[in-house]
This record gives sequence, C-alpha cells and structure tokens, in this order.
Amino acid sequence: SQELEQSPQSLIVQEGKNLTINCTSSKTLYGLYWYKQKYGEGLIFLMMLQKGGEEKSHEKITAKLDEKKQQSSLHITASQPSHAGIYLCGADKTSYGKLTFGQGTILTVHP
Amino acid sequence: NAGVTQTPKFRVLKTGQSMTLLCAQDMNHEYMYWYRQDPGMGLRLIHYSVGEGTTAKGEVPDGYNVSRLKKQNFLLGLESAAPSQTSVYFCASSYVGEKLFFGSGTQLSVL
Repeated sequence: SQELEQSPQSLIVQEGKNLTINCTSSKTLYGLYWYKQKYGEGLIFLMMLQKGGEEKSHEKITAKLDEKKQQSSLHITASQPSHAGIYLCGADKTSYGKLTFGQGTILTVHP
Repeated sequence: NAGVTQTPKFRVLKTGQSMTLLCAQDMNHEYMYWYRQDPGMGLRLIHYSVGEGTTAKGEVPDGYNVSRLKKQNFLLGLESAAPSQTSVYFCASSYVGEKLFFGSGTQLSVL
C-alpha cells in the first residue's frame, strides 16, 4: 500500500478555477516536497516544507504542511492551462533525503 | 547547466537481454537515486547511493544492480530484462536533506 496517499487521483477544472490537492501520511515527516511533471518529462521542484504549520507560496501556488507534519495541501489559485500536468508529493521520513512519493494527481485545465 | 543527464532516453529490449542506464550529474551532489514510474504507482525507489563507492537497496531492488564508481555517475543495470521491468526510469541527485534534481527519464520497453 502507498505510504503517501494523494487525493484526488485526477482533477479536471475550467481555467480560472481554484483547486486543492492533498497529500496524507500515517507517519510524521521530516520534509514534504511537491513536484510537477509534464507528460513525458522529468519532475520539476515546486516547494519544500519542513516545519509544522509552514506555508509557502510561489506565483499562484500555495503549499501548506499541518502542525503534526502528516498532511500537506497544494492550492492553485485561478488555474491556467500551463498548470496542467501531474503533481506528486514526496516525503522524507528518515532525514537522509530518501523520498517516498505519492501516486500523483493528474490535473487537466480546460481553456 | 546540464544538471542530471540520463542516457539513453528510449530503449526496447527483448526478454532476457541486459542493459545499463547511465546517470550523470554535474552538481557535486553526494546522493544519487534511481526510481521507476508506473501508472497509478507514483515513483518507487529502486536503489540509491549516499556517496562514491556506496549503494543501498530501495523499495523495489529485485532484478536491478547499481554501481557508483565515480561521484558524478550512477549506473543502473538490468542483467536479464523481464516484461515487468517495462517502465519509465528516473535518476535524481541531491545534497543531504535537500531537494532532488531529476533527469528527464528513460522509457524502457521489454518485449
């Protein structure tokens, strides 16, 4: 079974809509990473969260880590077609930098 | 900046054949990783290395071998390819406890 659960597995939205992707672990995490993958390409780093309650934003994307460091959310405001792709959360459970990934969320944004 | 370079990008093998995937990074990272990505499974760690001359097993190591003879290179070998090894393979590298940088992937088909 996946140690990191992402929801939803896929998401289709109209351009301009807001959306949220969740990532949940049954264990406390040392670090939580969000990556984006375009079809057929490698993973692009978005954000890293390490402290409970931490929140980071970049352009229209905001990521949060809960106080217990077991759940994270990625929120996109006013989505655009350029946001389409696969979003993956990765967690460092050991502090040694070895990441475990969720199964990914496929985001489609219709113009 | 080359970053993380994987070769080849595509490969088709017959069952039982062997091959080696090469990963090279020019960022002087200590840690290097090999992941495989399958639909609905996210990324799963095959093997990783915390430094030159060291390797360790990840989540799904069976059927693969690795070597890290030079700090900048991490090789993934398949001694006798099986159809179950059809996947997209990603190499990544990092400093300890920091974000992973990914290559663009190798698409492998085993017939």
